[in-house]
Amino acid sequence: QKEVEQNSGPLSVPEGAIASLNCTYSDRGSQSFFWYRQYSGKSPELIMFIYSNGDKEDGRFTAQLNKASQYVSLLIRDSQPSDSATYLCAVTYNFNKFYFGSGTKLNVKP
Amino acid sequence: DVKVTQSSRYLVKRTGEKVFLECVQDMDHENMFWYRQDPGLGLRLIYFSYDVKMKEKGDIPEGYSVSREKKERFSLILESASTNQTSMYLCASGDSGTLKPSYEQYFGPGTRLTVT
Repeated sequence: QKEVEQNSGPLSVPEGAIASLNCTYSDRGSQSFFWYRQYSGKSPELIMFIYSNGDKEDGRFTAQLNKASQYVSLLIRDSQPSDSATYLCAVTYNFNKFYFGSGTKLNVKP
Repeated sequence: DVKVTQSSRYLVKRTGEKVFLECVQDMDHENMFWYRQDPGLGLRLIYFSYDVKMKEKGDIPEGYSVSREKKERFSLILESASTNQTSMYLCASGDSGTLKPSYEQYFGPGTRLTVT
């Protein structure tokens, strides 16, 4: 069984702060890593992906991957109330099949 | 824009009924997926298909079957619905990921199924 672990939260941060979301995975053969955002009652939407060690930045979002330690994280800078959602981490092992974590709920307080 | 549609947003069925959930994508994607999402358990893969008439079991295929007769359409079938199949069902589609590590999945709006 491929394990993808996330802290369920909720993670509460004040508006303007940095939100840090973490994900660990069990299989060293993991190839690509994705962060999805899911608003309540809606379907997941992709924020960003990463597949090389290091950092990848896209606007206010930064994904960090450390394959040696088997974790991937998402940093959200200048958090906004509109960022309040559940964030899902997903990993792939053969580029076709995704395994999802159970998600971390983020609350950004005005 | 990629569009993935699902036949119903809400569905209520009785125990023992046969239930069909349909998913249609308009992007000519090879891969299509069915997940169920339950609180605290995240998204769990039921079945996926990487080509017409091809299917592969996911992590929780028991009690479900699928059909893919056309590339754009992927159906999930509950042969005899049970109360433990009450859940949110999400369909997704995507390009074949082979040699393309950056590919993503696009999700439909979901079907909330209640089995009474």
